[in-house]
Amino acid sequence: AQSVTQPDIHITVSEGASLELRCNYSYGATPYLFWYVQSPGQGLQLLLKYFSGDTLVQGIKGFEAEFKRSQSSFNLRKPSVHWSDAAEYFCAVDADTGKLIFGQGTTLQVKP
Amino acid sequence: DTAVSQTPKYLVTQMGNDKSIKCEQNLGHDTMYWYKQDSKKFLKIMFSYNNKELIINETVPNRFSPKSPDKAHLNLHINSLELGDSAVYFCASSQGRLWQGVFDEQYFGPGTRLTVT
Repeated sequence: AQSVTQPDIHITVSEGASLELRCNYSYGATPYLFWYVQSPGQGLQLLLKYFSGDTLVQGIKGFEAEFKRSQSSFNLRKPSVHWSDAAEYFCAVDADTGKLIFGQGTTLQVKP
Repeated sequence: DTAVSQTPKYLVTQMGNDKSIKCEQNLGHDTMYWYKQDSKKFLKIMFSYNNKELIINETVPNRFSPKSPDKAHLNLHINSLELGDSAVYFCASSQGRLWQGVFDEQYFGPGTRLTVT
């Protein structure tokens, strides 16, 4: 069965510092990969997605993610974090089953 | 212009009651979903409809019954509510599936926080 692991439950970074959130998935083929962000009390907003092609994908709000097939990973990065980036981040996969399988989420806290 | 909307945003009710959550999307999408987010923020799919037809039905108690009157609406009715049903329920929609020759990400509504006392 497909699964998604986000190893970091909680991450704290200083404003202006770089960020990397890890995501590993378990699936035999290449799934469709997503990163969503959830601000407190809000719904989920898509940051970026990978379907095929270039393994480095750009998203909204200055985020990017890199798909590494050999490592079954899809890590999210941002070169300089802003205080407004504090939120819950979810990695998700769709193995063409029609349903998103989510990771446990990573809570990002930003220190001033 | 809200893409995916849900009503109500908050729902507080007692055990044993029956309640419904409504979802509407104005994106013209063919597929709609219900997800449950538990107290640990874990998200899990419950149901999916494509053009009013149920296509995904996860292991969900039969007290939960989705209904899709048309492809823009997907409602969730819950009978005999239990304490464990307390969660945030998210509706989502997407354009279609790969087997349809179309693939798109899912767009989520703002969620409905259900509290059962």
